[in-house]
Amino acid sequence: SQQGEEDPQALSIQEGENATMNCSYKTSINNLQWYRQNSGRGLVHLILIRSNEREKHSGRLRVTLDTSKKSSSLLITASRAADTASYFCATFPYSGAGSYQLTFGKGTKLSVIP
Amino acid sequence: DVKVTQSSRYLVKRTGEKVFLECVQDMDHENMFWYRQDPGLGLRLIYFSYDVKMKEKGDIPEGYSVSREKKERFSLILESASTNQTSMYLCASSLSKAGNTIYFGEGSWLTVV
Repeated sequence: SQQGEEDPQALSIQEGENATMNCSYKTSINNLQWYRQNSGRGLVHLILIRSNEREKHSGRLRVTLDTSKKSSSLLITASRAADTASYFCATFPYSGAGSYQLTFGKGTKLSVIP
Repeated sequence: DVKVTQSSRYLVKRTGEKVFLECVQDMDHENMFWYRQDPGLGLRLIYFSYDVKMKEKGDIPEGYSVSREKKERFSLILESASTNQTSMYLCASSLSKAGNTIYFGEGSWLTVV
């Protein structure tokens, strides 16, 4: 079942601009993760943010988490053509008894135009 | 680095054939997963396993079975392939139960004709 919903579904920007993608979810979480998928390839983990964290950075990536609004955002600064990919958020439930699975959203397709 | 290897990148099978998709991970992870990915539907969990010989149904187990005889290997089986099982199949693994990072293979593109 889908828990995370990314917004927008597709985003097209010029190289050098910032890209912001949002994720909303419905139930309490233990952590939220962002993944990237190049066309036709597997997913690659980008960043994990725990429910007691509000912001996390990794290189040009900045992730925020607002548990009161049940939402997260992924910001990619100074985008490059190589950032063109689909980006997925995934949530791990707070009450994980018997559940080992992340639930993925449908993704945001980012196109960075050189 | 964790490596999750899916044995076949592209397969074409006939309706009714038995299909095996093999996946091996090299990091001694307890958890292994099979997802399928379809346009507009995102990733959907088929089965997962948290230990050898253990398996749990995911969201869409119908038409599939799995086997985990060794910790590093998790196989997805389509007993009688159908055209609606044409999809991209992704294997993944993770350490322990605590919602850790999932590591994915490169995917297997299955076409059933």
